[in-house]
Amino acid sequence: TQLLEQSPQFLSIQEGENLTVYCNSSSVFSSLQWYRQEPGEGPVLLVTVVTGGEVKKLKRLTFQFGDARKDSSLHITAAQPGDTGLYLCAGVAYNNNDMRFGAGTRLTVKP
Amino acid sequence: ETGVTQTPRHLVMGMTNKKSLKCEQHLGHNAMYWYKQSAKKPLELMFVYSLEERVENNSVPSRFSPECPNSSHLFLHLHTLQPEDSALYLCASSQDGDRRTEQYFGPGTRLTVT
Repeated sequence: TQLLEQSPQFLSIQEGENLTVYCNSSSVFSSLQWYRQEPGEGPVLLVTVVTGGEVKKLKRLTFQFGDARKDSSLHITAAQPGDTGLYLCAGVAYNNNDMRFGAGTRLTVKP
Repeated sequence: ETGVTQTPRHLVMGMTNKKSLKCEQHLGHNAMYWYKQSAKKPLELMFVYSLEERVENNSVPSRFSPECPNSSHLFLHLHTLQPEDSALYLCASSQDGDRRTEQYFGPGTRLTVT
């Protein structure tokens, strides 16, 4: 069973600051997804990364997949209150197509 | 209605009650999922249905019983639950059962077992 560890668990910052959250595992993934979940809603897919070393950008969000496909990071530039939410990573195991979620990073951006 | 809907949004039930959660997807997808989300824990995949057949059951206690009458509807029947079953239950759907395919989640049912 591959475990995905997300850090930090909680993060509270001021509007305009930059931040990075991490998703780490000892397992190799064929793909990794990032979701954002807002209060009272289900998770919404932000991005899927599939190639080791891949970098994808979504406006102020930059996602990176580690070279060994075991970890990933999400960097947000100039955070805004609308970025507040629970950020979840989910990896699909390379060997058995099993998909597991991390526990998430709860981000609060204060105006 | 669009996307994935779930009813009820909130449910409080006693340990001896029987209730059902309903999920409906309006996306024409062929796979549907039930997840359990507890505080500070990863989402736990409970059941997977692909083309109305159950393809995965992740060691879920028998007090949870899924039903998928067609590709648009998914139910989770609950009976004799325990307080530790209190959680947010999320339904999701995807075009196919490949885990790399994007999953669309409903808003969840917040379940409290008293």
